[in-house]
Amino acid sequence: NAGVTQTPKFQVLKTGQSMTLQCAQDMNHNSMYWYRQDPGMGLRLIYYSASEGTTDKGEVPNGYNVSRLNKREFSLRLESAAPSQTSVYFCASTQGYSFSLSYEQYFGPGTRLTVT
Amino acid sequence: GDSVTQMEGPVTLSEEACLTINCTYTATGYPSLFWYVQYPGEGLQLLLKATKADDKGSNKGFEATYRKETTSFHLEKGSVQVSDSAVYFCALSDFSQGGKLIFGQGTELSVKP
Repeated sequence: NAGVTQTPKFQVLKTGQSMTLQCAQDMNHNSMYWYRQDPGMGLRLIYYSASEGTTDKGEVPNGYNVSRLNKREFSLRLESAAPSQTSVYFCASTQGYSFSLSYEQYFGPGTRLTVT
Repeated sequence: GDSVTQMEGPVTLSEEACLTINCTYTATGYPSLFWYVQYPGEGLQLLLKATKADDKGSNKGFEATYRKETTSFHLEKGSVQVSDSAVYFCALSDFSQGGKLIFGQGTELSVKP
């Protein structure tokens, strides 16, 4: 049982390049999330998927797109990377639908992205 | 909107010292409160939680009490170990705001032998 996995662990992009961050969970969880972590700002929600087939914007969605490929996988795409998107990206999942208060969110190890 | 404020770090302590990391919140509804911990190179893990006023969450020797009158959820441990070195995040989830997790900025703790 690997929990939440993310690939890649590290990535360097040039401004304007595109890339997709991959996330998968093997816990049969319904809801999945993408956060970014910046120094002094905690974690901020980019997008989330309350269930397979649905996605919604979070606090900071601009410049990103997401795909809930199936129940296990939730990818985050940067179409044209900008230096402001340099950050650490975390994927998380939870058993409940949407943001049920009784369900813990499980986090992946993160992807450290640098855009030059 | 809802927000969480934590004491700034880094916090450096000697092994067996007492720890308090302050956390206060602003919320329009009746939030649940959480402490998450992030060990170096890893993702966040839930450390403890409290879902209503006066609840005390506890785990691994850490504890925090949900104080509605002071809108606080301070993290405490009586005797820290080197293995407690990590970044600690306070967070809230407010059902009236869709239940989203809102995080504080994190407090780095370094424990020296």
